[in-house]
Parts: sequence; structure tokens; C-alpha cells
Amino acid sequence: NAGVTQTPKFRVLKTGQSMTLLCAQDMNHEYMYWYRQDPGMGLRLIHYSVGEGTTAKGEVPDGYNVSRLKKQNFLLGLESAAPSQTSVYFCASSWDRREPQHFGDGTRLSIL
Amino acid sequence: GIQVEQSPPDLILQEGANSTLRCNFSDSVNNLQWFHQNPWGQLINLFYIPSGTKQNGRLSATTVATERYSLLYISSSQTTDSGVYFCAVLDTGGFKTIFGAGTRLFVKA
Repeated sequence: NAGVTQTPKFRVLKTGQSMTLLCAQDMNHEYMYWYRQDPGMGLRLIHYSVGEGTTAKGEVPDGYNVSRLKKQNFLLGLESAAPSQTSVYFCASSWDRREPQHFGDGTRLSIL
Repeated sequence: GIQVEQSPPDLILQEGANSTLRCNFSDSVNNLQWFHQNPWGQLINLFYIPSGTKQNGRLSATTVATERYSLLYISSSQTTDSGVYFCAVLDTGGFKTIFGAGTRLFVKA
């Protein structure tokens, strides 16, 4: 049982490049989330999804887009990467918004 | 929006010591979770505790929702307890989970 899997684990981009981070969960969870973690801070919610085909904005959505075409996958896209988006990105999933969230191992993204 | 404050920000313990970490939140919440982020960056869910007390081995947690705080107790600390402990709350009526800034714990052998 893999739980929540994030790919890639590391990536270096140049300013202006685009990329997509993939999150996959095998627990049949309805809710999925993308967070970013900056040094010395807690996690901040970027976007979330309450089910297949739905997405919504979190605390810090600017510069990111998401899609949930399949229930098990939640994609985070950066259309034009900026150095301010250098961070560690975590994906999580849960049965319901009140239920415990299960996290992936994170993606370390550096933008030069 | 809801504010989450954790204290202390940093804590150094000798192996075998006990400690209490605190999480204060500014408004009513639907749930509260405690996480441990290990030195490799992995986030481990310790407790889901919107109210009451739970125990898991050397760790226990208490949330007093009416007074808007939660406590995480670590007894007989071990070096493997090192890392950052986060409290996270879900605001009432919302979908957004808000994390505190964390307590960084270092346990010395």
C-alpha cells in the first residue's frame, strides 16, 4: 500500500519554465490538497479538491493551477516558474475535510 | 482568518526528559491534528484530536476546544523524537487547514 506518492522528488527549473507535479493516492480518498513549506514555516495550502473534477483555492493560490481529472490523481502546475516558488511541496489526501490527512514525502523544487 | 500559535519555537532536551508543546488557536475549529516532521522532511500524523485526550505510547495529546488550545506531551524523550512538531486546525465551516509555525525539538543523547 503506497499511500500518497509524489513525483518528482527533486527538480531544478529556470525562471519562466513550466512544470507539473504529480500526486497519486491509492486510498480512494475524496479530498486532496497541495501545500508549500518554506524554511522555518508551517505548511500553507495552495489548492485543494473535494472530489474528482473539482478544485478550489487555498491560502496562496497565485501562480499555480491544479487539475483533478481522476480521483486518485491531483496535479499541480506552474505555468511560468518564479524564484519565489522555490519551496518544498507536499500533497495530502483524506476521506473528508474533518478526517486526518495523509501526506506524501514532498517535492523539493528550486527555481533559479 | 484563524491564527495558530505554537510554543515554544525551539526546544532542546536531554534524552529521557519529558516535555509539553502547546498550540493556541484563535477561533473555533472542526478538527485539530498534530504532526511530526522528521529530519528527512517526512510528515507523520501523530494525533487527530478535535477534543479530549489521546495516548499513543510515549506521546499523548489533549485538546480543550472551549479554551482554544491543545497540548502535546512527550515522555521519556528519545533522539528519534527530534524534528519539528506541527499543530494544524480546520476552521469551522471551511475547507482550509491552517498550520502553526511548529516547535523544533532536538533531543541530545
